[in-house]
Amino acid sequence: EDKVVQSPLSLVVHEGDTVTLNCSYEVTNFRSLLWYKQEKKAPTFLFMLTSSGIEKKSGRLSSILDKKELFSILNITATQTGDSAIYLCAVRETSGSRLTFGEGTQLTVNP
Amino acid sequence: GAVVSQHPSWVICKSGTSVKIECRSLDFQATTMFWYRQFPKQSLMLMATSNEGSKATYEQGVEKDKFLINHASLTLSTLTVTSAHPEDSSFYICSARDRLAGGDTQYFGPGTRLTVL
Repeated sequence: EDKVVQSPLSLVVHEGDTVTLNCSYEVTNFRSLLWYKQEKKAPTFLFMLTSSGIEKKSGRLSSILDKKELFSILNITATQTGDSAIYLCAVRETSGSRLTFGEGTQLTVNP
Repeated sequence: GAVVSQHPSWVICKSGTSVKIECRSLDFQATTMFWYRQFPKQSLMLMATSNEGSKATYEQGVEKDKFLINHASLTLSTLTVTSAHPEDSSFYICSARDRLAGGDTQYFGPGTRLTVL
């Protein structure tokens, strides 16, 4: 059974801090790993990673995948209160379209 | 970007009644849609995969007779919670894959909050 584990489950920081969120996975036939941000409603897409060692970057957010060690990290630099959300990691296998989600990391950024 | 809508956004119903939730892809065709359930402070749990023109594939532990899924067109999937009970109260989210774009990205709807009294 596919397994996605995120850590920490909860994180409280001050504005301006840098945070690193972790996602480890166990899947039979890995295809891709996706990061989502969920605020009050449904998740919004952040990144999709398929290759090891290639950093994806969008503004203050960046992510990288290590397919040998089976994990990914999501970095947020110079955090702002608007970054407060649940960050979800999901993996997809080569067969089928389903995503298996981790438990999420609840990030709270205090002013 | 691709937009997925859900209706209603919030529904309150009495125990024993049935509730239908619609999921629409507004500007793309989706042969596959997914239904998730999310309890407070928990992650998304996949309930079923809805395929246009065929029967839905349910995850283990999800009762297919209780959660009826219909995917009658390339832009619409419905989830009907039959004989709802308070334990069915949850946040139901659908997502869809763009048939033409391919790839792995799923676009999520805004979710439907169901409260069963």
